[in-house]
Amino acid sequence: GENVEQHPSTLSVQEGDSAVIKCTYSDSASNYFPWYKQELGKRPQLIIDIRSNVGEKKDQRIAVTLNKTAKHFSLHITETQPEDSAVYFCAAGFRWDRDDKIIFGKGTRLHILP
Amino acid sequence: EPEVTQTPSHQVTQMGQEVILRCVPISNHLYFYWYRQILGQKVEFLVSFYNNEISEKSEIFDDQFSVERPDGSNFTLKIRSTKLEDSAMYFCASSYLPGTAEGYTFGSGTRLTVV
Repeated sequence: GENVEQHPSTLSVQEGDSAVIKCTYSDSASNYFPWYKQELGKRPQLIIDIRSNVGEKKDQRIAVTLNKTAKHFSLHITETQPEDSAVYFCAAGFRWDRDDKIIFGKGTRLHILP
Repeated sequence: EPEVTQTPSHQVTQMGQEVILRCVPISNHLYFYWYRQILGQKVEFLVSFYNNEISEKSEIFDDQFSVERPDGSNFTLKIRSTKLEDSAMYFCASSYLPGTAEGYTFGSGTRLTVV
């Protein structure tokens, strides 16, 4: 089955700097890659996603890149702000048949330092 | 914006007791899921449900677990005889798109504490 590895487990960056979180996946059939932000005690919230036919997607300060050949994808947050502090999960999913579960990475705890 | 509603938000139960976690998916969604998150760990897939039957289940979803859609709006997860290691946050999710993880919406979760 699919396995998603995520690094680093903890990341501290100065406010205003950029943060990068990296993930790899094992199943080349995965073709949908969402990123979730989870604040303490709350549900995962989708912040951005990318399909396998796209190499990069950007939404304001957040961007995601995908390298299908290497089977890795990354989240980039620029001009970080205090409210970006949270746990971020990458995930991999599928778009065929009824195999529609999401497999999550272990998460990255992002601290934005004042 | 439509939401997935989960009740209760927090449940404490004694080991060996049965619990039922309730979810109300978004009304036009057809695909339903349960995920579990042990404190400080990743979110893990438990089960997917479509057309009144289980589509897929993980190895976590053993005979102690069952799901049901008893009426047109509720989707429940039952744990028959709870164990200490069942303590976790349980998230319900629903989706309207077939065969894809896109369009997922998670509920706010039920924190289950087994004592």
